Amino acid sequence: EADIYQTPRYLVIGTGKKITLECSQTMGHDKMYWYQQDPGMELHLIHYSYGVNSTEKGDLSSESTVSRIRTEHFPLTLESARPSHTSQYLCASSERGGNQPQHFGDGTRLSIL
Amino acid sequence: KNQVEQSPQSLIILEGKNCTLQCNYTVSPFSNLRWYKQDTGRGPVSLTIMTFSENTKSNRRYTATLDADTKQSSLHITASQLSDSASYICVVADRGSTLGRLYFGRGTQLTVWP
Repeated sequence: EADIYQTPRYLVIGTGKKITLECSQTMGHDKMYWYQQDPGMELHLIHYSYGVNSTEKGDLSSESTVSRIRTEHFPLTLESARPSHTSQYLCASSERGGNQPQHFGDGTRLSIL
Repeated sequence: KNQVEQSPQSLIILEGKNCTLQCNYTVSPFSNLRWYKQDTGRGPVSLTIMTFSENTKSNRRYTATLDADTKQSSLHITASQLSDSASYICVVADRGSTLGRLYFGRGTQLTVWP
């Protein structure tokens, strides 16, 4: 089992609230990622990081932001939640190198009312 | 357009039977192909990663094949167990960017009945 943790597992919250989804890994991986996954659909990359102080936007347009102040921590923030943000958010990490597997957390299922 | 297509979309088999899941891709230039297992309510877990030079790779009861010429891969599950019920996701990485961009299929939902 990989050591990557996401909190909370489930979150139901009202429109307009500020939300932070937490992701931590204890494997010392440089690369970290955030994906969005809807039922029956493929994962979409929304943010990634190569290391501390490195953050990039992914393929899917997202109103969220991320930060990477410490190697092990990669939180995702939504400043003002909307119903369209309802989805499952998966965090992952990997070692450097093109053939390294990604290790995923168990996700946060977010519902915006 | 880089794509990953999986078939079938869903599959039901009886415990103890074998099954084969398919993955076709158009991703180029190719770097590697991955199979992940995702249990309901959990994150994906890596089963295998195959590079261009590998055409068969096994992990316990899972055997993945890769034909880089036809851009096809399969995942064969032997002697299925109830715990094999999950979504199986095919992912292809390209080598055209420093990130090693990953292209995800939508998965095959496998259900194993007792």
